[in-house]
Order: sequence, then C-alpha cells, then structure tokens
Amino acid sequence: EPEVTQTPSHQVTQMGQEVILRCVPISNHLYFYWYRQILGQKVEFLVSFYNNEISEKSEIFDDQFSVERPDGSNFTLKIRSTKLEDSAMYFCASSVDRGTGELFFGEGSRLTVL
Amino acid sequence: GNSVTQMEGPVTLSEEAFLTINCTYTATGYPSLFWYVQYPGEGLQLLLKATKADDKGSNKGFEATYRKETTSFHLEKGSVQVSDSAVYFCALKREGGTYKYIFGTGTRLKVLA
Repeated sequence: EPEVTQTPSHQVTQMGQEVILRCVPISNHLYFYWYRQILGQKVEFLVSFYNNEISEKSEIFDDQFSVERPDGSNFTLKIRSTKLEDSAMYFCASSVDRGTGELFFGEGSRLTVL
Repeated sequence: GNSVTQMEGPVTLSEEAFLTINCTYTATGYPSLFWYVQYPGEGLQLLLKATKADDKGSNKGFEATYRKETTSFHLEKGSVQVSDSAVYFCALKREGGTYKYIFGTGTRLKVLA
C-alpha cells in the first residue's frame, strides 16, 4: 500500500541552526502539506503546495520557513534559524485533490531544539 | 474563527466497553468533518468523514453523525477492542477553496484487556 514517508524520524538541533525535514508523498498525489503538533497542543496547518508553488499558508509559516519540491518525489520543509518554540512533531501529508478527499500522513518527524 | 474542540484524554476503557469521544466545532457555513486515528508509530489515517448535516460516517465499527444544530461530530463505538488503542483526532475543512484542515488536540484511547 502506498504511503507517505518522512525523514528523519527525530532530529535534535541547536537554536539558530538550519533544519531540513524531508518527505516523499504518494506518487500520484498532487497536493502536499506540512502540519505540526507542539506537545499537548492542536495539530496546526503550516502550508500547502500545489503545482510547484505555495497554495496556502498559515500565520505560523513566516520567513523562517520554506518548502520545496526539488525533484519529482521529495517535498522538503526548511527552517532557516530554529527557535526553541519550533520544537514539535512535523507531519507531512499529501492528497489526490483539495476537495473533501482524504489526507495521507507520514509518521512525523520530531524536532527538538535545544 | 474556525476551530475544533475535543475531549481531553486519556480515555481508559475495558475491552467491549462503549466509547464516546466528544468533538464540537466552530465554523461558518457547511464544513466537512473528519475523524483521523493515529496508531503507535504510524501517521494519522482517515477513519471516517461526513460532508453535510445529518450525514453519518462509519468505518471499522466506529460512527459519527454530523449535527449542525449542536455543532458536534462525536465519535462512538459500541464495543472497543485492545487494537483500538490509539490517538483520535477530530478535524474540519471549510467549504470553498481552502486547502487547510483544522484539527483538534487529539484524544488518547487506551483499551485494557
């Protein structure tokens, strides 16, 4: 069964360092997303990506964040200069369409900023 | 704004007990409503959904009915199993062109044999 894969599963970094989280969405999906969940809080939308550009982003997704689809399979989230409050579980998701269809999530990448 | 509120966990039940996990929402218009489940070590998976008022979503013995009058989408199962132990997330997606799903905090369910 096709699945969304994410790497790394856990990353520990120092404040101010750059981090790249990687995702391989399901191959025939067209829409890609990043969500995050700070421990004990809600799963929050960060950004959606379609046709090689950002289609929607939240107020959380400021200039420190960027997304890229560098090739036909990977979808990355970069945090330029990490802050303590960026510590969270980051989930990548993909979908066939943007209607009321299903989101397919990866297992998540846990980011710990020290 | 749009939001989802679900009951805090953890919820601990014995096998074959009845399960209810409450979810209420705030949204304009007619959002679509979802329950996602996350089993240990896995990503969130769609459990069921309902796209309009009075619709009932169902899957794997779980059910939830879209109640616009009470703005609720409570998850129920008549007889839980140990294998149902997971974290359950209620979510909504506004109608229209948004790509964004809005999730609750998740409710951890632990079922004891």
